[in-house]
Amino acid sequence: TQLLEQSPQFLSIQEGENLTVYCNSSSVFSSLQWYRQEPGEGPVLLVTVVTGGEVKKLKRLTFQFGDARKDSSLHITAAQPGDTGLYLCAGVPDSNYQLIWGAGTKLIIKP
Amino acid sequence: EAGVTQFPSHSVIEKGQTVTLRCDPISGHDNLYWYRRVMGKEIKFLLHFVKESKQDESGMPNNRFLAERTGGTYSTLKVQPAELEDSGVYFCASSHADWQPQHFGDGTRLSIL
Repeated sequence: TQLLEQSPQFLSIQEGENLTVYCNSSSVFSSLQWYRQEPGEGPVLLVTVVTGGEVKKLKRLTFQFGDARKDSSLHITAAQPGDTGLYLCAGVPDSNYQLIWGAGTKLIIKP
Repeated sequence: EAGVTQFPSHSVIEKGQTVTLRCDPISGHDNLYWYRRVMGKEIKFLLHFVKESKQDESGMPNNRFLAERTGGTYSTLKVQPAELEDSGVYFCASSHADWQPQHFGDGTRLSIL
């Protein structure tokens, strides 16, 4: 059974600080996706990383896929209160399209 | 275009009763997925339809759960009889091709009393 360990589970920081969220697995994924979920809504896809070592940037968010395609990170620079939310990683296995999810990181950015 | 729609948004039923959840995918999306998040746990895959066929139902917890997608359009997920451990948020997602990103509905929050 493939698992995706996401950390930290909860993070509360001040506006302007930087942070990194990690997703780690012992399994290889064909790609890894990062989602953001607001209360009462479904997950919304932020980015998909496909190639080992790939780095994608979305404004102040930087996503990286590990060289071995087993881990990924999300780095937010100069966090803002609007970044507050639940961030989820999800891996796509090599053999099918059922997403394997991390437990999520609840992020609070205090003004 | 309209997104993935799930109904109802909330359902509260007693143990032993039956509940049916509905998902309307984005029009034209052949692939439809059901996921569930039990409180305190990660989202878990339940099953995957391609049009009206079940492509992968390996995540279905037990035979109290029945998913259908007659005609390859909307899908229903029936829980009969419901048990306490079935409480959680049930998400539906759809995609045009299986390798393309999945678009999620807002989920159905199911509470079993």
